[in-house]
Amino acid sequence: AQSVTQLGSHVSVSEGALVLLRCNYSSSVPPYLFWYVQYPNQGLQLLLKYTTGATLVKGINGFEAEFKKSETSFHLTKPSAHMSDAAEYFCAVSARGSSNTGKLIFGQGTTLQVKP
Amino acid sequence: GAGVSQSPRYKVAKRGQDVALRCDPISGHVSLFWYQQALGQGPEFLTYFQNEAQLDKSGLPSDRFFAERPEGSVSTLKIQRTQQEDSAVYLCASRFIEDTEAFFGQGTRLTVV
Repeated sequence: AQSVTQLGSHVSVSEGALVLLRCNYSSSVPPYLFWYVQYPNQGLQLLLKYTTGATLVKGINGFEAEFKKSETSFHLTKPSAHMSDAAEYFCAVSARGSSNTGKLIFGQGTTLQVKP
Repeated sequence: GAGVSQSPRYKVAKRGQDVALRCDPISGHVSLFWYQQALGQGPEFLTYFQNEAQLDKSGLPSDRFFAERPEGSVSTLKIQRTQQEDSAVYLCASRFIEDTEAFFGQGTRLTVV
């Protein structure tokens, strides 16, 4: 069975500092990998995803993530935090294969706080 | 519409009451998902539709939960005899076809008192 672990339920950074949100997955076959952001009382918005090809994936709002198969990780980074980045971030996986529905398995989430 | 629309946005139900939550997916989207997000948790998969066919309902927590999408567009998630543990945000997502991005609605926050 697939699972996702997000290390750190709460991360606090200063404005302009590096953002690093950690995600590790467990799967017998490398899955599709996603990062979503959720603002208060809003739905989920896709930041980026990895399906195949280049392991460094660039997303919206200056975020990027690197798929490391040997570490079963997909950590999210942003070089310089902005106040508007404060939100809840979810890492998710989806199984590969034509028989799979595309349902997402989510981590517990990490709350990012950005201090002025 | 421009996005996935869910209604109502907020619902307060007395324990034992039946509720119905509606999802209007993006027009033309074939796939539709329902997720349950408890407070402080990540969303958990409930069920999946491809057009009107419910292909996966493995995440429905009990037989009190029922979902339908009779014409392959609007979907309704029904919860019978609600209990306090059903309190959560219920998210709907739709996507055009496989391997395309799924778009999420804003969710319905259900509070059972």
